[in-house]
Amino acid sequence: SAVISQKPSRDICQRGTSLTIQCQVDSQVTMMFWYRQQPGQSLTLIATANQGSEATYESGFVIDKFPISRPNLTFSTLTVSNMSPEDSSIYLCSAGQGSGYEQYFGPGTRLTVT
Amino acid sequence: AQSVTQLGSHVSVSEGALVLLRCNYSSSVPPYLFWYVQYPNQGLQLLLKYTTGATLVKGINGFEAEFKKSETSFHLTKPSAHMSDAAEYFCAVSEGQAGTALIFGKGTTLSVSS
Repeated sequence: SAVISQKPSRDICQRGTSLTIQCQVDSQVTMMFWYRQQPGQSLTLIATANQGSEATYESGFVIDKFPISRPNLTFSTLTVSNMSPEDSSIYLCSAGQGSGYEQYFGPGTRLTVT
Repeated sequence: AQSVTQLGSHVSVSEGALVLLRCNYSSSVPPYLFWYVQYPNQGLQLLLKYTTGATLVKGINGFEAEFKKSETSFHLTKPSAHMSDAAEYFCAVSEGQAGTALIFGKGTTLSVSS
């Protein structure tokens, strides 16, 4: 299994600012994913991050709002730009590896926008 | 398109009772199926997975699930609930290709009373 860490674990931000969330994996992985979990809701995929290529965004999510970097096989960042209160959520990073195609998740970043 | 339906957003059981959390899926290809557990203020932890082979899979903490293709189901069970099982449980499906993101159900909150 992979161990995934995220920074920050939580933050309170003002409307109109941006926050960059970091995701670190303890081993090299091919695929990394970013999810959003709104209060009391399930997980929604934001984008898939491949090393050396542009991230692939799901419907309803755009690069200008959620730019993603994937500089190497163990690290990725997600930026939440020009934040509004509607962006208040938990943001989770995951990584896919192994023959069973399961994903391992980080502990999440709890974001509150005021 | 793939989808996951978890029947019952809340399930309450007594300590020592049978736990049954229901999951039905829709997939145009043979699915890979997963159950994850999320404890309060934590990330997701993989409980068990079905990829190929034996349809009854055993996971951590005494949980197991059975893949029933004819019923398109992957229900999660545990013979005897423990107070520590109280958490949010998510069923997820993927198309089984390397790196394919997971599609999650809406989740089921399990409460265990003494």
